Amino acid sequence: ETGVTQSPTHLIKTRGQQVTLRCSSQSGHNTVSWYQQALGQGPQFIFQYYREEENGRGNFPPRFSGLQFPNYSSELNVNALELDDSALYLCASSWAGWTDTQYFGPGTRLTVL
Amino acid sequence: ELKVEQNPLFLSMQEGKNYTIYCNYSTTSDRLYWYRQDPGKSLESLFVLLSNGAVKQEGRLMASLDTKARLSTLHITAAVHDLSATYFCAVDTNRGSTLGRLYFGRGTQLTVWP
Repeated sequence: ETGVTQSPTHLIKTRGQQVTLRCSSQSGHNTVSWYQQALGQGPQFIFQYYREEENGRGNFPPRFSGLQFPNYSSELNVNALELDDSALYLCASSWAGWTDTQYFGPGTRLTVL
Repeated sequence: ELKVEQNPLFLSMQEGKNYTIYCNYSTTSDRLYWYRQDPGKSLESLFVLLSNGAVKQEGRLMASLDTKARLSTLHITAAVHDLSATYFCAVDTNRGSTLGRLYFGRGTQLTVWP
């Protein structure tokens, strides 16, 4: 049991809409990363937050944005949804340290119609 | 950009047999991870390998790392059905104290049959 939770589990949206996905990190973890996993692919890094500041970003457009809150919960917001945004979105929390591992939540399955 | 290649992508093996999954990466890495993913589920951490020559074992799985060859292997010994899953390797190139991004391979879908 990693202690990382995500909501909602599944979500269906239409093109052009906006969506907010939520993640609750494992207690004590100060770093959260978000990944997008398309069907049959490995997860792709979207961005990472460390102590409420963005700490790195992958090759995703600005319509993907995030927030991390003082209680280490976080959000991923996606504006102007496109069909290709359909994927499993995973958050991973960790304590910033040399040997620590990123622990993944169960994911949110987003379908864009 | 760092590339991570796994092979094979699909592996079907009989119970009791041994096999190895390979993970190559294109540039120097600080850490290499192996994760397991069951259908419709999230990623479960299996191993973290931190240095050249590192070897870790858990049950029927053993992972090793050769940083000079930029190669990691995940060896399966005497496979059982419960090992059926998709296995991912991932590398982390961050050189600071905070964790960086993980670059994942495409995964190896393992099916173990009786």
